[in-house]
Amino acid sequence: QLQLQESGPGLVKPSETLSLTCTLSYDSISNSTYFWGWIRQPPGKGLEWIGSIFYSGSTYYNPSLKSRVTISVDTSKNQFSLKLTSVTAADTAVYYCAGRYCDNGVCYAFDPWGQGTRVTVSS
Amino acid sequence: EIVLTQSPGTLSLSPGERATVSCRASQSVSSTSLAWYQQRPGQAPRLLIYGASFRAAGIPHRFSGSGSGTDFTLTISRLEPEDFAVYYCHQYGSSPQTFGQGTKLEIK
Repeated sequence: QLQLQESGPGLVKPSETLSLTCTLSYDSISNSTYFWGWIRQPPGKGLEWIGSIFYSGSTYYNPSLKSRVTISVDTSKNQFSLKLTSVTAADTAVYYCAGRYCDNGVCYAFDPWGQGTRVTVSS
Repeated sequence: EIVLTQSPGTLSLSPGERATVSCRASQSVSSTSLAWYQQRPGQAPRLLIYGASFRAAGIPHRFSGSGSGTDFTLTISRLEPEDFAVYYCHQYGSSPQTFGQGTKLEIK
C-alpha cells in the first residue's frame, strides 16, 4: 500500500527558503496513475493547497503562492520536493504531501497523505 | 477561486446521534470533484468521501455524502466515540483547489 513520508528542517529563518521532500514507499513516483501534491495547515487553522505535480513534471500552483513555490520530482530517489522562497512567520505550518489517484484522465481526492511535518519560521 | 463555507463551525452531539455537516460553494462544483476528510488531533486528514457520495476504502457505512452544484452534505448516521474530530470539505475540480474552513464535531 502506497505510503508517503515528509522530511526536512523543522526551523527556517525568515527570508530563507523552505525545502521539504516527500518519499514514496511501495510504489514508484513514475506511476502515471498518481498526481502528487503539497498541502499545509497553519497552527489551529484549516488546510491550504500549495501545488501539485504529475510524474511527467507538469506543475500546478496556488496563485497565492505561485511566485514563491517550486515543486519537482526526482525519479531516481522516488521523491518529490517543495521549495518555498522568502518565507515569513505566516508560512509556519504543518506541511503534508499527498497523492491523488488518476484513472482515464480523471483525478480523485487526496489519498494517501503523509503524516505531516511541522515547519516553524523564526529567527 | 471557489470558496467553500462549512456550517456549523462547531457541532455538539452525543454518541449515537446523527451528525449533519454542510458545505456550500461560491460557484458550482462538479459533483465528481467534492471530497470530505476527517482530521483527528495530531493526525493527517483521512479521506472519507470522494465524488460527493462515494465512500473511500475502509470507511464505515455510517458515513455518507450527498449534494450537487453548490450544496453538499456529510452525514454520520450514528456517532461513535472515534468520530469526534474536525471535518473538511474539499473541491478539486477547479484550480486552485480549495478546502472549507472545517467543522469541529465535539462531544456534548
